[in-house]
Amino acid sequence: SAVISQKPSRDICQRGTSLTIQCQVDSQVTMMFWYRQQPGQSLTLIATANQGSEATYESGFVIDKFPISRPNLTFSTLTVSNMSPEDSSIYLCSVEAYGSDYNEQFFGPGTRLTVL
Amino acid sequence: GQQLNQSPQSMFIQEGEDVSMNCTSSSIFNTWLWYKQDPGEGPVLLIALYKAGELTSNGRLTAQFGITRKDSFLNISASIPSDVGIYFCAGQGRSGNKLVFGAGTILRVKS
Repeated sequence: SAVISQKPSRDICQRGTSLTIQCQVDSQVTMMFWYRQQPGQSLTLIATANQGSEATYESGFVIDKFPISRPNLTFSTLTVSNMSPEDSSIYLCSVEAYGSDYNEQFFGPGTRLTVL
Repeated sequence: GQQLNQSPQSMFIQEGEDVSMNCTSSSIFNTWLWYKQDPGEGPVLLIALYKAGELTSNGRLTAQFGITRKDSFLNISASIPSDVGIYFCAGQGRSGNKLVFGAGTILRVKS
């Protein structure tokens, strides 16, 4: 399995500001994803981070609100823009290992965001 | 879109008891995954299932991929206090690598 780290682990932000979350993997991976987990809820996919091209967003999520970068096979960022209290959630990065025969996804520790 | 129905929503059991939880869907999935999430952590993969009818064990955990491809269950035998957490099922369909998650089962263990 891949070792995934996220920065920051948690943050408290003011309404209207933006926060960029980093995801670093210890090995090259084909697929990287960003999920949101609202308080007491399950995980919802925000987007697939594509290396060298624009991310693929799920219904209900847009690039202006959640811009994503993926400059290489081991790193991605998610920005939560113009935040409101409704954006308070855990944001999780996940990866699918490069060259694996099966589609196993592994998750980072998450970034706990609180918006005041 | 695809949805998973996970049950029960929560369980409060005595240490040593066996636990069973399941997920059902109206859609077919190619892969079923079971994750456990501890407070303040990301989900950790417990078991992955790839073939209809497959039964897989990982220590005290056993999971099965339903023959119809629309359901899966997870059993935990002889529960211990560290089994406490939230268990999520996730399905992966034919359309790609997207995972669809169940709502989770909160497990509490009384010692």
